[in-house]
Amino acid sequence: DAKTTQPPSMDCAEGRAANLPCNHSTISGNEYVYWYRQIHSQGPQYIIHGLKNNETNEMASLIITEDRKSSTLILPHATLRDTAVYYCIVRVAFGASYDKVIFGPGTSLSVIP
Amino acid sequence: DVKVTQSSRYLVKRTGEKVFLECVQDMDHENMFWYRQDPGLGLRLIYFSYDVKMKEKGDIPEGYSVSREKKERFSLILESASTNQTSMYLCASRETGANVLTFGAGSRLTVL
Repeated sequence: DAKTTQPPSMDCAEGRAANLPCNHSTISGNEYVYWYRQIHSQGPQYIIHGLKNNETNEMASLIITEDRKSSTLILPHATLRDTAVYYCIVRVAFGASYDKVIFGPGTSLSVIP
Repeated sequence: DVKVTQSSRYLVKRTGEKVFLECVQDMDHENMFWYRQDPGLGLRLIYFSYDVKMKEKGDIPEGYSVSREKKERFSLILESASTNQTSMYLCASRETGANVLTFGAGSRLTVL
């Protein structure tokens, strides 16, 4: 799986868009970008994933650059409940059943009132 | 919704004790994982299992073992707990062919 790089921490004002970047310059053609988040004292929660097109769901939007070497997770109107650690993961979508999933340190997002 | 249940949210054990952390999932997922989470280190994979009685080492298996006798249950065992195993332990499951992990709420273990 390709390695990812994320800033360790970010702040965002409540009500503004939170834009969380992720670099994955070694991504290969069949690897997807996945985002999870972990709110304090809870297990991580899946947010969204994509291959090369931009994706949107009820939680967030995912923008992937044309060369696929980086992506941005967008929370359009951040609330205090979005304060969490956000993990960007790159991996093959339909890998073998025994392949492992690796999480890096992630980005700690603080939404400020 | 898939539910992954970890039996204990908080445990306090003494050095040298044998510790069992239990995880049960209710959606017939083939793959199950155990991670530990420590400040500044993110999630680190301890062991994973892709079928009943099958297990694979992750990145930090030393001091741990696992058991998967039934598909829905994946147990993490600390044979002789040490203080450096004080951590948050997270269990997850995943269906083969899908790449979304579903996590439990976590078990915070303190070893004194």
